[in-house]
Amino acid sequence: QVQLVQSGAEVKKPGASVKVSCKASAYTFTNYGISWVRQAPGQGLEWMGWISAYNGNTNYAQKLQGRVTMTTDTSTTTAYMELRSLRSDDTAVYYCARGIFPNAVAGPNYFDYWGQGTRVTVSS
Amino acid sequence: EIVLTQSPATLSLSPGERATLSCRASQSVSRYLAWYQQKPGQAPRLLIYDASNRATGIPARFSGSGSGTDFTLTISSLEPEDFAVYYCQQRSNWPPITFGQGTRLEIK
Repeated sequence: QVQLVQSGAEVKKPGASVKVSCKASAYTFTNYGISWVRQAPGQGLEWMGWISAYNGNTNYAQKLQGRVTMTTDTSTTTAYMELRSLRSDDTAVYYCARGIFPNAVAGPNYFDYWGQGTRVTVSS
Repeated sequence: EIVLTQSPATLSLSPGERATLSCRASQSVSRYLAWYQQKPGQAPRLLIYDASNRATGIPARFSGSGSGTDFTLTISSLEPEDFAVYYCQQRSNWPPITFGQGTRLEIK
């Protein structure tokens, strides 16, 4: 069955960077896009951006532009999200999520499979 | 940016009752709206997409309706496992993809 397995929890100091991985299995990786969504403690869901696993095209939320980079490695069917210059309000659970439609170039849509989440804590 | 406003913030009902959750968009999203369920400590689960299409494996007691700016998620007869937080999400006008702030469905 389709699975997205994320890397483990991270604790970082303000100003540091974090890179979260998302290993996909049981589907054709390059046929779909991957979005990253985060959830601060006790809060709602926030879309961070999207990457095409077909050609690497990206689209990021404006508030994160310049601090976030999303990449994929098709040889290992893994997506990555790097967030730099971390602040305390970046403390959240970070999810990768697959778009439901098998069109990897049309942009983000709805999310049918999700990773288990990676908790990132930013604290001095 | 399209803002999605969900109401009520909290809904208190008993098992067997009918639940009606609302999501209003700040501008038309046509039918490009989804609903998710999230339980504590879990990732969200897609229930409905394109306003009224049930995702794979979702029970028939979940249904969605609406278009334009006003949408509804209905759970026809609540089961104990349905008590959770529900989010709507639009894909009509991006970036960004946006979510509503959530409705907490709690046991009365």
